[in-house]
Amino acid sequence: GEDVEQSLFLSVREGDSSVINCTYTDSSSTYLYWYKQEPGAGLQLLTYIFSNMDMKQDQRLTVLLNKKDKHLSLRIADTQTGDSAIYFCAESPSYTGFQKLVFGTGTRLLVSP
Amino acid sequence: EAGVTQSPTHLIKTRGQQATLRCSPISGHTSVYWYQQALGLGLQFLLWYDEGEERNRGNFPPRFSGRQFPNYSSELNVNALELEDSALYLCASRLQGGGPGGAKNIQYFGAGTRLSVL
Repeated sequence: GEDVEQSLFLSVREGDSSVINCTYTDSSSTYLYWYKQEPGAGLQLLTYIFSNMDMKQDQRLTVLLNKKDKHLSLRIADTQTGDSAIYFCAESPSYTGFQKLVFGTGTRLLVSP
Repeated sequence: EAGVTQSPTHLIKTRGQQATLRCSPISGHTSVYWYQQALGLGLQFLLWYDEGEERNRGNFPPRFSGRQFPNYSSELNVNALELEDSALYLCASRLQGGGPGGAKNIQYFGAGTRLSVL
């Protein structure tokens, strides 16, 4: 079945690293995505990783994938107040032709000065 | 390059009415997806259109329908509105073609239409 889980809330101080975690259940080859949603806005794609990769780094963002445990994490280095938003993990299973996105509940990140 | 655009930004309707939401994909993208983000229910896949055809739909009643026009823009129609249809409706577009890998499997989202049913 399809199920993506995330913790609901994370609070960090400006300058610290943030780590947002996600678990998924689909075992087929899949794309995994991180989207950011600011208040009143749509979804902004941050980064993505294919399930044959272990890690992907993009500037302040590092994605780690543990395929065995079906665990995905997003690390934001030097977190800024502008990073405060809701972060969604999503998977796109191969059996859907990578067409459908299944989203987690979202993690609300609060960055305090 | 313009991103995915949605209109209207906000829509207020009363129960029983019909709502029409519009989406223009990124130029060159042929697939359009609709998602519902309702309070407490998260983001749910609604519909997928490609080359003018409905390709897949999520677990939503037939009151939710839509179409895709020859220019790849799309409309989402919600008939017989119910209070629980109040949500943010997000449209995404994607460049189809090619195997797994790279930007061709990315869905890019618009800012959404907030539908309020009173």
